[in-house]
Amino acid sequence: QLQLQESGSGLVKPSQTLSLTCAVSGGSISSGGYSWSWIRQPPGKGLEWIGYIYHSGSTYYNPSLKSRVTISVDRSKNQFSLKLSSVTAADTAVYYCARGGINGPMKFDYWGQGTLVTVSS
Amino acid sequence: QSVLTQPPSASGTPGQRVTISCSGSSSNIGSNTVNWYQQLPGTAPKLLIYSNNQRPSGVPDRFSGSKSGTSASLAISGLQSEDEADYYCAAWDDSLNGLFGGGTKLTVL
Repeated sequence: QLQLQESGSGLVKPSQTLSLTCAVSGGSISSGGYSWSWIRQPPGKGLEWIGYIYHSGSTYYNPSLKSRVTISVDRSKNQFSLKLSSVTAADTAVYYCARGGINGPMKFDYWGQGTLVTVSS
Repeated sequence: QSVLTQPPSASGTPGQRVTISCSGSSSNIGSNTVNWYQQLPGTAPKLLIYSNNQRPSGVPDRFSGSKSGTSASLAISGLQSEDEADYYCAAWDDSLNGLFGGGTKLTVL
């Protein structure tokens, strides 16, 4: 059974960089056909797709966040990461990692439990 | 405001059939498949329907999806109290962007 687990700083100061990692267990992140996404949900609000990295290493980002987002993969550790720079209070959210692909990049069949990141001084 | 438009709320009594709509455009729903997610309070979303009308294993056949043109719908028949949750549609957009609907809060009366 595939499992995803987010980790990282739960409190980030404004203007700094948010960094999160998603550890994948029970399967290889290098498996063909899958993409690995980050999705966030501000408190009391809806879901927002941040971006994904494909198994080949190519990346796609939400245009509204593209200038601040970097998603990378560490195959040796079977994990992928999110960096979001120049954060503001509007970036406060629960951040989820998820597996997508095969039937389309927005088909997320496995999710992490989510981690709350608060942007505050 | 989300590009994929859902009603903010829906409701029904146990045993009823309810539908939740998701309206988009030719660049997203009109040319890509639609997926639906169920989110219970305090938990991560769960895949409910993929590729417009396919159910992952373990999802009851009370849940069904359909798509026509630039709109999609999720139907829940035989409504149960445990179906009370937030529901989101999702689709890829040809502008290379992933989209979620704004979400629909389903209340079982």
